[in-house]
Amino acid sequence: DADVTQTPRNRITKTGKRIMLECSQTKGHDRMYWYRQDPGLGLRLIYYSFDVKDINKGEISDGYSVSRQAQAKFSLSLESAIPNQTALYFCATSAGRGGANTQYFGPGTRLTVL
Amino acid sequence: QKEVEQNSGPLSVPEGAIASLNCTYSDRGSQSFFWYRQYSGKSPELIMFIYSNGDKEDGRFTAQLNKASQYVSLLIRDSQPSDSATYLCAVRRSNFGNEKLTFGTGTRLTIIP
Repeated sequence: DADVTQTPRNRITKTGKRIMLECSQTKGHDRMYWYRQDPGLGLRLIYYSFDVKDINKGEISDGYSVSRQAQAKFSLSLESAIPNQTALYFCATSAGRGGANTQYFGPGTRLTVL
Repeated sequence: QKEVEQNSGPLSVPEGAIASLNCTYSDRGSQSFFWYRQYSGKSPELIMFIYSNGDKEDGRFTAQLNKASQYVSLLIRDSQPSDSATYLCAVRRSNFGNEKLTFGTGTRLTIIP
């Protein structure tokens, strides 16, 4: 089945460490997104990419960077992790124009920064 | 004012009854509206989307949209314990998929057997 996968699924790290979260998809979608979810705050968009050469900041991009290595891969980096980046991180994908352009989510990465 | 507002709940509904989930949005330019279901610790999954004013039915689920009132709702008929989850409302400005989704914080629904 066409899918969205995220690695790692869980990660515990220390303040100041560099962390990379990876997302891969076999849906053939052009668009990829990174969100974080915190209790009471809902899903908030970090970065999004509409194709390999297009990267856009979301509402909470400070402290994060991304790389779109290929159509199917979109990585999120925390250059120097801090405790308030502890959250559940989701990657999502969507097709281009046409249809509902529904976003499909990966299983999530639970990140804890000590 | 939040862009997308939902009552956080918890909303408790007896099994077999109708669950009604509500969402209001602030941007009058919003065109597309989505309902996602999220089980605890899992990723959001799409239930349905709606573009036009009125009702849209899919099995036990009905989405209702009133753009004049900036209001979208989700009705779940014959509620089952498996419907217990957090329901996220999401709104997009453009019909053409060029704009990002804005999510509400979700309503936690509990179906009581």
